[in-house]
Amino acid sequence: AQTVTQSQPEMSVQEAETVTLSCTYDTSESDYYLFWYKQPPSRQMILVIRQEAYKQQNATENRFSVNFQKAAKSFSLKISDSQLGDAAMYFCAYRSGDPLADGLTFGKGTHLIIQP
Amino acid sequence: NAGVTQTPKFQVLKTGQSMTLQCAQDMNHEYMSWYRQDPGMGLRLIHYSVGAGITDQGEVPNGYNVSRSTTEDFPLRLLSAAPSQTSVYFCASSYSKNQPQHFGDGTRLSIL
Repeated sequence: AQTVTQSQPEMSVQEAETVTLSCTYDTSESDYYLFWYKQPPSRQMILVIRQEAYKQQNATENRFSVNFQKAAKSFSLKISDSQLGDAAMYFCAYRSGDPLADGLTFGKGTHLIIQP
Repeated sequence: NAGVTQTPKFQVLKTGQSMTLQCAQDMNHEYMSWYRQDPGMGLRLIHYSVGAGITDQGEVPNGYNVSRSTTEDFPLRLLSAAPSQTSVYFCASSYSKNQPQHFGDGTRLSIL
């Protein structure tokens, strides 16, 4: 079974600064997908960014980018120019590429606080 | 296009009661999943389906049943509610494995 570990229960950053959220995972598979989801107080699960394991290039979405280190099984999220609206819980998630299995394995989350 | 619709949004049950949480999607997605979210925990997978007629267990399946008779619907049944099943439940769907899952707004379930 796969596991996902987020070692930072809480992070705080000043508005306009850059913050990096850590995520490591354990798997014996070679084909998989990785995601970061944001959950604001409204409880909605909002996709931030995704990465296919077979792609070496790190994914980017506007102010959000990842540092995907496949050999180290690391998938960190960098948020540049932090904004007050970025305050939320952030979850790292793993999805197997096995066609017979599905569902996401989530980390326990990082609570991101943005200081004005 | 409603996306993923979960009903009800809130529910209070007594121990031993049964109920069904509904999940419907109108995006013709093959893959659907149910998760529960408890305080201090990430979401945990209860059951999933890779297509109509095909379901399987996730990490925490005990006390729950699912079926997938149509592509659109994936109901979650609590057979005999227990206080340990008090949680927020999320349904999610995706078109394929490499596409992200779209989540419903969740159902907050309290069992007394």
